Amino acid sequence: NAGVTQTPKFQVLKTGQSMTLQCAQDMNHNSMYWYRQDPGMGLRLIYYSASEGTTDKGEVPNGYNVSRLNKREFSLRLESAAPSQTSVYFCASSVRGRVTEAFFGQGTRLTVV
Amino acid sequence: RKEVEQDPGPFNVPEGATVAFNCTYSNSASQSFFWYRQDCRKEPKLLMSVYSSGNEDGRFTAQLNRASQYISLLIRDSKLSDSATYLCVVNSMDSNYQLIWGAGTKLIIKP
Repeated sequence: NAGVTQTPKFQVLKTGQSMTLQCAQDMNHNSMYWYRQDPGMGLRLIYYSASEGTTDKGEVPNGYNVSRLNKREFSLRLESAAPSQTSVYFCASSVRGRVTEAFFGQGTRLTVV
Repeated sequence: RKEVEQDPGPFNVPEGATVAFNCTYSNSASQSFFWYRQDCRKEPKLLMSVYSSGNEDGRFTAQLNRASQYISLLIRDSKLSDSATYLCVVNSMDSNYQLIWGAGTKLIIKP
């Protein structure tokens, strides 16, 4: 029972490098989300996709892009990584836009040096 | 002012004791309320939803006070395994039903 799968689990990037974080869910959920979590702060929404074919900005979208590849997959891309993007990134999914319960992936610990 | 505020703790509590913590929210249009649990270096997981009349799940009791705009979580007969960070979450039509997260309250249960 995989649920939400994120890759990679850990990543170190140099400033200016790019990378894509992958996320896939097997629960047939319509909505998917990307969050970042920094020490002492709540989860902050980067982007979300209420349904296949749609994406919207969240609270902190600058420096990121997303792609809802299909119903299962939602990727997050850092085009030019900056030290301020050092964080733990979580992908989540839920049944529909009116969130009842969000299920999370295990997280990606990203360090930008 | 943050939309959802929690005391960061840590709350250091002996095993078997009862502990309670609150969470305040600023948006009076908030409609749904949740408590999530997050273990160290792990993903958040839903602990329980919070209903208007209050609800209980085993040793855990959640309450909502709309007039004062806070929710609470009470843990009775605390176990070592209850050690975690507890995240308060709200959503509202104003925020397009997106979840707004508190920064969490850290709970440490000591033997």
